Amino acid sequence: GESVGLHLPTLSVQEGDNSIINCAYSNSASDYFIWYKQESGKGPQFIIDIRSNMDKRQGQRVTVLLNKTVKHLSLQIAATQPGDSAVYFCAEHSQPRDDKIIFGKGTRLHILP
Amino acid sequence: DAGITQSPRYKITETGRQVTLMCHQTWSHSYMFWYRQDLGHGLRLIYYSAAADITDKGEVPDGYVVSRSKTENFPLTLESATRSQTSVYFCASEGPNYGYTFGSGTRLTVV
Repeated sequence: GESVGLHLPTLSVQEGDNSIINCAYSNSASDYFIWYKQESGKGPQFIIDIRSNMDKRQGQRVTVLLNKTVKHLSLQIAATQPGDSAVYFCAEHSQPRDDKIIFGKGTRLHILP
Repeated sequence: DAGITQSPRYKITETGRQVTLMCHQTWSHSYMFWYRQDLGHGLRLIYYSAAADITDKGEVPDGYVVSRSKTENFPLTLESATRSQTSVYFCASEGPNYGYTFGSGTRLTVV
């Protein structure tokens, strides 16, 4: 899910299908990760988090998977709805609740009718 | 209203003018942050504050000044605005369990 140049990578998904958004994080010392959702004209909104002692965490319709071996994070959204259209950011802390988060550049999720 | 509020929502200013963006949170969170968001760069940290009267630079602090005389307020000042500071600015605070909570943003245009 890293951006290239001025354009965000875009994932287009049919309404009702599952969405998987990927993120490669940079710091092997990071051990707390968050996914944010940003709708047009709004600030980023917390979706779900996961600590490095876990491989998977589930919320309502969302699941985050963490693979520390390859420094990869993914967000799965079940039964994608029109309201899921947004830009999704992964973020990492070098320690749990460190004073600064490092944000990825985001992936745009586009829902097809 | 509980939460984090930013003002103004939109601002147009001229090059060389001083402009202050306001941020107010109602939770008494210790940590507060200012980010700017630009196409191709994502969210970049300008300044942050660990508590009242404690501030520190982030990734892109040049041209900005912050203060934190009260826990709930964290204003960001552009001392002499430049066109490169045209951006969307987000304030955030860090809660005890849920990462950052962001404000709705201020869209600043420098002409």
